Amino acid sequence: AQSVTQLGSHVSVSEGALVLLRCNYSSSVPPYLFWYVQYPNQGLQLLLKYTSAATLVKGINGFEAEFKKSETSFHLTKPSAHMSDAAEYFCAVSVNDYKLSFGAGTTVTVRA
Amino acid sequence: DGGITQSPKYLFRKEGQNVTLSCEQNLNHDAMYWYRQDPGQGLRLIYYSQIVNDFQKGDIAEGYSVSREKKESFPLTVTSAQKNPTAFYLCASSDHDGGKNIQYFGAGTRLSVL
Repeated sequence: AQSVTQLGSHVSVSEGALVLLRCNYSSSVPPYLFWYVQYPNQGLQLLLKYTSAATLVKGINGFEAEFKKSETSFHLTKPSAHMSDAAEYFCAVSVNDYKLSFGAGTTVTVRA
Repeated sequence: DGGITQSPKYLFRKEGQNVTLSCEQNLNHDAMYWYRQDPGQGLRLIYYSQIVNDFQKGDIAEGYSVSREKKESFPLTVTSAQKNPTAFYLCASSDHDGGKNIQYFGAGTRLSVL
């Protein structure tokens, strides 16, 4: 069954430093993969998605993710963290045409 | 503005009471979903509906019920059989798009037990 594992429940970075959030997937078919962001007491917002086109996917707010089949990974990065990046981030994999399986989430804090 | 509206934002349930969470979308999406979010557990699927008058159980459907009488509406009832209902509930919708399945989320309802 399709699933994702997010490594690290909390990540703390300094403002201006690299943000790296790790996600590994398990899928018996070519996966569709997603990163979502959630700000406190709000719903989830799509950051980016991978749907088997380019392996390097660019999203909103300067984030990007690279699909690596050999490593079954889809890590999310941003070169320079901003205070507004403080949020919870979820990796997800499409189970079928309708269902998504979400990881447990990674909370990012940004230090001034 | 197109989007998903959840109401109320906060809801309190008394012992033995059923409560209903509202979800309305004007995105003309066929599919709608209900998730439960608990700290450190990500999102867990309660129910989903691919089309009007049809819905399927997700991973944690026990103690919940839904209906889908209109395309734009997918209310969730938390019944008295749900013994631990305190959580953040998120509604989402998506178009059927060849498996790309981008889901759009509402702002959520926080349910607490009195």
